[in-house]
Amino acid sequence: TQLLEQSPQFLSIQEGENLTVYCNSSSVFSSLQWYRQEPGEGPVLLVTVVTGGEVKKLKRLTFQFGDARKDSSLHITAAQPGDTGLYLCAGRGSNYKLTFGKGTLLTVNP
Amino acid sequence: ETGVTQTPRHLVMGMTNKKSLKCEQHLGHNAMYWYKQSAKKPLELMFVYSLEERVENNSVPSRFSPECPNSSHLFLHLHTLQPEDSALYLCASSLTMNTEAFFGQGTRLTVV
Repeated sequence: TQLLEQSPQFLSIQEGENLTVYCNSSSVFSSLQWYRQEPGEGPVLLVTVVTGGEVKKLKRLTFQFGDARKDSSLHITAAQPGDTGLYLCAGRGSNYKLTFGKGTLLTVNP
Repeated sequence: ETGVTQTPRHLVMGMTNKKSLKCEQHLGHNAMYWYKQSAKKPLELMFVYSLEERVENNSVPSRFSPECPNSSHLFLHLHTLQPEDSALYLCASSLTMNTEAFFGQGTRLTVV
Protein backbone atom coordinates (compact mmCIF):
# COMPACT_ATOMS: atom_id res chain seq x y z
CA THR A 1 0.00 0.00 0.00
CA GLN A 2 1.38 3.36 -1.02
CA LEU A 3 1.13 6.09 1.61
CA LEU A 4 1.65 9.82 1.33
CA GLU A 5 2.49 11.76 4.48
CA GLN A 6 1.86 15.47 4.43
CA SER A 7 3.35 17.92 6.90
CA PRO A 8 2.57 19.98 8.73
CA GLN A 9 -1.01 18.94 9.26
CA PHE A 10 -2.01 22.49 10.27
CA LEU A 11 -0.33 25.81 9.54
CA SER A 12 -1.49 29.28 10.59
CA ILE A 13 0.53 32.26 9.42
CA GLN A 14 0.24 36.00 8.88
CA GLU A 15 -0.27 37.60 5.51
CA GLY A 16 3.03 38.24 3.77
CA GLU A 17 4.92 35.32 5.31
CA ASN A 18 6.51 32.51 3.31
CA LEU A 19 5.78 28.85 3.91
CA THR A 20 6.63 25.37 2.70
CA VAL A 21 4.53 22.24 2.99
CA TYR A 22 5.76 18.74 2.33
CA CYS A 23 4.52 15.52 0.83
CA ASN A 24 6.61 12.42 1.51
CA SER A 25 6.44 8.74 0.67
CA SER A 26 8.62 5.66 0.61
CA SER A 27 7.09 4.78 -2.76
CA VAL A 28 8.01 6.02 -6.21
CA PHE A 29 5.31 7.81 -8.16
CA SER A 30 5.09 8.30 -11.89
CA SER A 31 3.49 11.68 -11.30
CA LEU A 32 2.31 13.80 -8.43
CA GLN A 33 -0.51 16.31 -8.29
CA TRP A 34 -1.24 19.15 -5.89
CA TYR A 35 -4.78 20.28 -5.18
CA ARG A 36 -6.30 23.05 -3.08
CA GLN A 37 -9.66 22.50 -1.45
CA GLU A 38 -11.83 25.13 0.19
CA PRO A 39 -14.44 24.24 2.82
CA GLY A 40 -17.48 22.55 1.33
CA GLU A 41 -15.94 22.40 -2.13
CA GLY A 42 -14.12 19.82 -4.20
CA PRO A 43 -10.34 19.82 -4.69
CA VAL A 44 -9.07 22.06 -7.49
CA LEU A 45 -6.01 20.90 -9.39
CA LEU A 46 -3.03 23.26 -9.09
CA VAL A 47 -0.22 21.42 -10.82
CA THR A 48 1.10 18.05 -11.97
CA VAL A 49 4.80 17.20 -11.75
CA VAL A 50 6.19 14.26 -13.64
CA THR A 51 9.99 14.39 -13.89
CA GLY A 52 12.32 13.85 -10.92
CA GLY A 53 13.77 17.20 -9.83
CA GLU A 54 11.12 19.13 -11.75
CA VAL A 55 10.21 22.61 -10.52
CA LYS A 56 7.01 24.36 -11.57
CA LYS A 57 5.88 27.85 -10.68
CA LEU A 58 2.34 29.12 -10.52
CA LYS A 59 2.49 32.82 -9.59
CA ARG A 60 3.60 32.81 -5.93
CA LEU A 61 3.49 29.02 -5.65
CA THR A 62 6.55 26.88 -6.39
CA PHE A 63 6.22 23.12 -6.65
CA GLN A 64 9.13 20.71 -6.63
CA PHE A 65 9.22 16.97 -7.30
CA GLY A 66 12.01 15.09 -5.57
CA ASP A 67 14.83 13.61 -7.63
CA ALA A 68 13.71 10.09 -6.70
CA ARG A 69 10.04 10.93 -7.35
CA LYS A 70 9.11 9.94 -3.79
CA ASP A 71 8.45 13.38 -2.35
CA SER A 72 7.35 16.87 -3.23
CA SER A 73 7.15 20.31 -1.71
CA LEU A 74 5.00 23.37 -2.18
CA HIS A 75 6.43 26.78 -1.33
CA ILE A 76 4.25 29.86 -1.13
CA THR A 77 5.83 33.30 -1.19
CA ALA A 78 4.15 36.27 0.49
CA ALA A 79 1.04 34.33 1.45
CA GLN A 80 -2.33 36.02 1.12
CA PRO A 81 -5.68 35.28 2.81
CA GLY A 82 -6.92 33.90 -0.50
CA ASP A 83 -4.34 31.10 -0.19
CA THR A 84 -6.25 29.70 2.78
CA GLY A 85 -7.39 26.14 2.20
CA LEU A 86 -6.56 22.45 2.44
CA TYR A 87 -3.59 21.53 0.27
CA LEU A 88 -3.64 17.93 -0.90
CA CYS A 89 -0.96 16.00 -2.69
CA ALA A 90 -1.79 12.89 -4.70
CA GLY A 91 0.65 10.46 -6.25
CA ARG A 92 0.04 8.11 -9.13
CA GLY A 93 1.90 4.81 -8.89
CA SER A 94 2.55 2.10 -11.42
CA ASN A 95 -1.17 1.47 -11.74
CA TYR A 96 -3.71 4.13 -12.47
CA LYS A 97 -4.68 4.79 -8.86
CA LEU A 98 -4.16 8.14 -7.17
CA THR A 99 -3.02 7.96 -3.55
CA PHE A 100 -3.92 11.02 -1.52
CA GLY A 101 -2.33 12.46 1.58
CA LYS A 102 -4.45 13.78 4.45
CA GLY A 103 -3.57 17.33 3.52
CA THR A 104 -2.16 20.47 5.11
CA LEU A 105 -4.76 22.94 6.35
CA LEU A 106 -3.36 26.43 5.77
CA THR A 107 -4.83 29.55 7.33
CA VAL A 108 -3.46 32.93 6.28
CA ASN A 109 -4.52 35.66 8.65
CA PRO A 110 -4.91 39.26 7.40
CA GLU B 1 -15.62 25.71 -12.32
CA THR B 2 -13.92 22.43 -13.23
CA GLY B 3 -16.54 21.16 -15.65
CA VAL B 4 -17.68 18.41 -13.28
CA THR B 5 -21.08 19.06 -11.72
CA GLN B 6 -22.53 17.19 -8.77
CA THR B 7 -26.07 17.28 -7.44
CA PRO B 8 -27.35 17.68 -4.86
CA ARG B 9 -24.77 19.72 -2.97
CA HIS B 10 -26.26 18.74 0.37
CA LEU B 11 -28.31 15.70 1.36
CA VAL B 12 -29.77 14.58 4.67
CA MET B 13 -31.26 11.13 4.70
CA GLY B 14 -32.57 8.62 7.16
CA MET B 15 -31.07 5.18 7.47
CA THR B 16 -34.01 3.57 5.67
CA ASN B 17 -34.13 6.02 2.77
CA LYS B 18 -33.03 5.47 -0.82
CA LYS B 19 -31.37 8.36 -2.57
CA SER B 20 -29.03 8.94 -5.50
CA LEU B 21 -26.11 11.25 -6.12
CA LYS B 22 -25.54 12.52 -9.63
CA CYS B 23 -22.37 13.55 -11.41
CA GLU B 24 -22.11 15.04 -14.88
CA GLN B 25 -19.15 16.05 -17.04
CA HIS B 26 -19.00 17.38 -20.56
CA LEU B 27 -15.23 17.49 -20.81
CA GLY B 28 -15.02 14.51 -23.12
CA HIS B 29 -13.38 12.46 -20.40
CA ASN B 30 -13.50 8.67 -20.51
CA ALA B 31 -12.91 7.87 -16.84
CA MET B 32 -15.09 8.79 -13.89
CA TYR B 33 -14.62 8.21 -10.17
CA TRP B 34 -16.40 8.30 -6.84
CA TYR B 35 -14.38 9.26 -3.77
CA LYS B 36 -15.35 9.53 -0.13
CA GLN B 37 -13.81 12.24 2.05
CA SER B 38 -14.16 11.88 5.80
CA ALA B 39 -12.64 14.03 8.50
CA LYS B 40 -9.00 13.26 9.30
CA LYS B 41 -8.74 10.63 6.55
CA PRO B 42 -7.25 10.75 3.06
CA LEU B 43 -9.65 10.68 0.13
CA GLU B 44 -10.83 7.11 -0.34
CA LEU B 45 -11.39 5.81 -3.86
CA MET B 46 -14.70 3.98 -4.05
CA PHE B 47 -15.40 3.24 -7.70
CA VAL B 48 -13.75 3.77 -11.07
CA TYR B 49 -15.39 3.62 -14.47
CA SER B 50 -13.53 3.68 -17.74
CA LEU B 51 -15.51 3.88 -20.97
CA GLU B 52 -18.62 3.09 -18.94
CA GLU B 53 -17.17 -0.15 -17.58
CA ARG B 54 -16.50 -0.52 -13.88
CA VAL B 55 -12.82 -1.24 -13.32
CA GLU B 56 -12.53 -0.76 -9.59
CA ASN B 57 -14.64 -1.55 -6.58
CA ASN B 58 -12.59 -0.92 -3.48
CA SER B 59 -14.41 -3.25 -1.10
CA VAL B 60 -17.23 -0.78 -0.81
CA PRO B 61 -20.33 -2.00 1.06
CA SER B 62 -23.22 -3.02 -1.15
CA ARG B 63 -25.38 -0.24 0.27
CA PHE B 64 -23.46 1.94 -2.23
CA SER B 65 -24.31 1.09 -5.82
CA PRO B 66 -22.74 2.97 -8.74
CA GLU B 67 -24.19 3.37 -12.20
CA CYS B 68 -22.59 4.78 -15.33
CA PRO B 69 -25.17 4.95 -18.12
CA ASN B 70 -22.85 6.84 -20.48
CA SER B 71 -19.44 8.49 -20.43
CA SER B 72 -20.85 11.82 -19.25
CA HIS B 73 -22.93 10.69 -16.30
CA LEU B 74 -22.23 8.82 -13.10
CA PHE B 75 -24.61 8.00 -10.28
CA LEU B 76 -24.19 6.69 -6.78
CA HIS B 77 -27.30 4.99 -5.44
CA LEU B 78 -27.60 4.93 -1.67
CA HIS B 79 -29.70 2.50 0.35
CA THR B 80 -29.87 1.70 4.05
CA LEU B 81 -26.89 3.82 4.98
CA GLN B 82 -25.32 4.11 8.42
CA PRO B 83 -24.44 7.30 10.31
CA GLU B 84 -20.73 6.57 9.73
CA ASP B 85 -21.39 6.94 6.00
CA SER B 86 -21.83 10.67 6.54
CA ALA B 87 -19.10 12.37 4.53
CA LEU B 88 -18.33 14.50 1.50
CA TYR B 89 -18.76 12.41 -1.63
CA LEU B 90 -16.69 13.61 -4.54
CA CYS B 91 -16.98 12.77 -8.19
CA ALA B 92 -14.02 13.20 -10.51
CA SER B 93 -13.25 12.62 -14.16
CA SER B 94 -10.13 12.33 -16.27
CA LEU B 95 -9.37 11.94 -19.95
CA THR B 96 -7.93 8.49 -19.31
CA MET B 97 -7.19 6.59 -16.12
CA ASN B 98 -3.61 7.85 -16.21
CA THR B 99 -4.26 11.56 -16.62
CA GLU B 100 -5.14 14.38 -14.26
CA ALA B 101 -8.37 14.10 -12.32
CA PHE B 102 -10.80 17.00 -12.08
CA PHE B 103 -13.23 17.05 -9.19
CA GLY B 104 -16.77 18.21 -8.76
CA GLN B 105 -17.85 20.33 -5.80
CA GLY B 106 -19.04 17.31 -3.85
CA THR B 107 -22.21 16.26 -2.08
CA ARG B 108 -22.22 16.71 1.68
CA LEU B 109 -24.16 13.67 2.92
CA THR B 110 -25.53 13.40 6.44
CA VAL B 111 -27.16 10.15 7.55
CA VAL B 112 -29.46 10.52 10.54
